[in-house]
Amino acid sequence: AQSVSQHNHHVILSEAASLELGCNYSYGGTVNLFWYVQYPGQHLQLLLKYFSGDPLVKGIKGFEAEFIKSKFSFNLRKPSVQWSDTAEYFCAVNDAGNNRKLIWGLGTSLAVNP
Amino acid sequence: NAGVTQTPKFRVLKTGQSMTLLCAQDMNHEYMYWYRQDPGMGLRLIHYSVGEGTTAKGEVPDGYNVSRLKKQNFLLGLESAAPSQTSVYFCASSRDQGRVEQYFGPGTRLTVT
Repeated sequence: AQSVSQHNHHVILSEAASLELGCNYSYGGTVNLFWYVQYPGQHLQLLLKYFSGDPLVKGIKGFEAEFIKSKFSFNLRKPSVQWSDTAEYFCAVNDAGNNRKLIWGLGTSLAVNP
Repeated sequence: NAGVTQTPKFRVLKTGQSMTLLCAQDMNHEYMYWYRQDPGMGLRLIHYSVGEGTTAKGEVPDGYNVSRLKKQNFLLGLESAAPSQTSVYFCASSRDQGRVEQYFGPGTRLTVT
């Protein structure tokens, strides 16, 4: 069965530090990949997504993610975080073929200290 | 354009009581989903619907029922609430599955005592 693993459960950074959140999935076929963000007290919203093409995708608020097929990874990055990036980040994957239900990672809680 | 709305926002139930959570979307989406979010467990799919009049079980369906009588509404019912159902419930909708994003509601925080 598909699974999604987010290695970092809690991350604490200072403003201006660089961020990389890991996401690995366990499906060998073609996948669609997503990162969602949940700011405190708000609902989940899409940060970025990858379906095909350039494996480096850019999303909102300066975030980007790189799909590395050989490593089954889709890590989220931001060169310089801000206090307003404090949130919970979820990686999600679905099979691009028949079973396209989203499989979610457990989330990473990011706290950025001013 | 309100997107996805959920009512109520908060609710406290006693064990054994019943309630219905309402989700409404105004984007004409075919797919709708109910998730629960618990600390350290991420999002778990309870039930989903691929169109008006259809429902299907997700990852954790036990203790819940759903109905999709109208395309824009997706109801989640708890017939006999248990403390294990204390959680934050999110509804989401999407135009399709696969390459499209899911749009989420603001959530309902349910406590069962």
